Amino acid sequence: GAGVSQTPSNKVTEKGKYVELRCDPISGHTALYWYRQSLGQGPEFLIYFQGTGAADDSGLPNDRFFAVRPEGSVSTLKIQRTERGDSAVYLCASSLTTGDGDEQYFGPGTRLTVT
Amino acid sequence: AQSVTQLDSHVSVSEGTPVLLRCNYSSSYSPSLFWYVQHPNKGLQLLLKYTSAATLVKGINGFEAEFKKSETSFHLTKPSAHMSDAAEYFCVVSLPFGNEKLTFGTGTRLTIIP
Repeated sequence: GAGVSQTPSNKVTEKGKYVELRCDPISGHTALYWYRQSLGQGPEFLIYFQGTGAADDSGLPNDRFFAVRPEGSVSTLKIQRTERGDSAVYLCASSLTTGDGDEQYFGPGTRLTVT
Repeated sequence: AQSVTQLDSHVSVSEGTPVLLRCNYSSSYSPSLFWYVQHPNKGLQLLLKYTSAATLVKGINGFEAEFKKSETSFHLTKPSAHMSDAAEYFCVVSLPFGNEKLTFGTGTRLTIIP
């Protein structure tokens, strides 16, 4: 079946603009995660959803970042007033549940460049 | 808090020789540990996972890792490297009661010399 998909694959925006990044998880997966990977670093956790609710948003760097998952499937990561430091690859992952050992399946990422 | 340290940012081996990628972890609890691989322009893929069952874990593509609590290590090995193994490898830790909130290491880039 289809894996996790993310759109767009690349996004270039000007400093101060608003962006939305979309994630389509694997069908039937109840848990959805967002990570951010800066150049030369490992991915860093941002937020995860169990169903429609954000179960842990402790990784969001500040209040310019927000994510939703209104119907428990597709999720959108929203960044307001973008800054050059927001430039990174944003990764989405999903898993069947959050049970011990459930594998997180990652999408290919959205590369965000803020000029 | 939990963390992982990947001791080598870059490892080069000749094709057909053994691979060793080193990882040490720190966790307040008995952790779940993973190795993920990232090929260029592809998504992260799970190689193997340890979740408090057998300490020697076998994964895909001939990779395996051994959980050593006394050394707080979870090194990744493969007996014979293949050109297709060239990629970035991440050691990952999470709390034992669920796999949300993965904490990644900084990665080890594996280069295979023909």
